[in-house]
Amino acid sequence: GAGVSQSPSNKVTEKGKDVELRCDPISGHTALYWYRQRLGQGLEFLIYFQGNSAPDKSGLPSDRFSAERTGESVSTLTIQRTQQEDSAVYLCASSSGAGTETQYFGPGTRLLVL
Amino acid sequence: RKEVEQDPGPFNVPEGATVAFNCTYSNSASQSFFWYRQDCRKEPKLLMSVYSSGNEDGRFTAQLNRASQYISLLIRDSKLSDSATYLCVVRPGGYNKLIFGAGTRLAVHP
Repeated sequence: GAGVSQSPSNKVTEKGKDVELRCDPISGHTALYWYRQRLGQGLEFLIYFQGNSAPDKSGLPSDRFSAERTGESVSTLTIQRTQQEDSAVYLCASSSGAGTETQYFGPGTRLLVL
Repeated sequence: RKEVEQDPGPFNVPEGATVAFNCTYSNSASQSFFWYRQDCRKEPKLLMSVYSSGNEDGRFTAQLNRASQYISLLIRDSKLSDSATYLCVVRPGGYNKLIFGAGTRLAVHP
């Protein structure tokens, strides 16, 4: 079946512009996660959605970052007034529920802020 | 101190070698443990979960020592296709997010 998809695959933007990144989770997966991976580093947790519960936003690095999810489907991560340090790969993952279920990752969006 | 620490490598080994990766984690309340594999410019994929009793999947063996807060991955009979970055991953207790180590790079050569 279809895996997690993300768009765009690459995004180049100018410092100060806003960007929107999209994630389509695996159908039926109630949990959705956003992570960021800077060059040569491990993944950093950003935000987690589970069903209709309030999202866990504890990993968002600043108030320039926000994310939304429509029901149990698509999610968008928005970065306002982008900075050069926002350059990274933004990875989305989904799982069938909360707990110990395996997280399946999308291919990521490579963001470059000039 | 990072929550999950790994030796970054790289580990350069010949085909057929046995190689071991180690990882330590700082949160003693962590509940779940995993090894993920990440190929260059690709997304991470689950390699195996790690259980307290230790577990094996073919050429791969994972061990967990909760007292020492230490996780290991052993790869036997290395193949060229094993070349990748291996990520040690921990799920803290009470949370659903995953905490990733920075990864250990493995290069298997002929």
